[in-house]
Amino acid sequence: QPLLQESGPGLVKTSETLSLTCSVSVDSISSRGFYWGWIRQPPGKGLEWIGSVSYTGFLYSKPSLESRVTISVDSPKKKFTLRLTSVTAADTAVYYCARRFGSGWHFDSWGQGILVTVSS
Amino acid sequence: DIQMTQSPSSVSASVGDKVTITCRASQDVSNWLAWYQQKPGKAPSLLIYDASTLQSGVPSRFSGGGSGTDFILTISSLQPEDFATYYCQPTGSFSLITFGGGTKVEIK
Repeated sequence: QPLLQESGPGLVKTSETLSLTCSVSVDSISSRGFYWGWIRQPPGKGLEWIGSVSYTGFLYSKPSLESRVTISVDSPKKKFTLRLTSVTAADTAVYYCARRFGSGWHFDSWGQGILVTVSS
Repeated sequence: DIQMTQSPSSVSASVGDKVTITCRASQDVSNWLAWYQQKPGKAPSLLIYDASTLQSGVPSRFSGGGSGTDFILTISSLQPEDFATYYCQPTGSFSLITFGGGTKVEIK
């Protein structure tokens, strides 16, 4: 299983853009069948899928977040980045990067997670 | 939107007990279902996919079953390291990705 590691600021101001990067230890981040995505978990609550980008660069995202979400892949650096615009306190959560690989939309590898707090 | 309902929301059990967790989908998902385990302060980890296929490295005391709308996760003999929260998730399409509310397995 690949290792995934999130990085980015732990504090973001209300209305600004949250930007997180996930570094992946794989031979090629663009290998066929790999989808790279983000899932978040507000403190003490359940899991929410944000979106995933395919090995072809196609973005799949949760409809309620679609207008605010961008996920991009930097293949040479083996990293992918989440950008979530116009954040509010409701976006405060632990953010996990994760990989989907296989026929179903299950996530077989996860990063350790990073807490992002949104505050004015 | 699909809804995933897990029951119970929490269960108290002892080491060696058999534990059963159910997950009900608001629409037919065939066998497209995954189960995850999450320990406090850690990321979730995949236990089972396609309703009953054990992820590599997961102990055989974990098993999954069901299809359509009703699914079950069974821990045949609870071990100390199994105390955690368990989540189900439909996996048939990106448009269905949502997680159940979780079931916390606590020490009795």
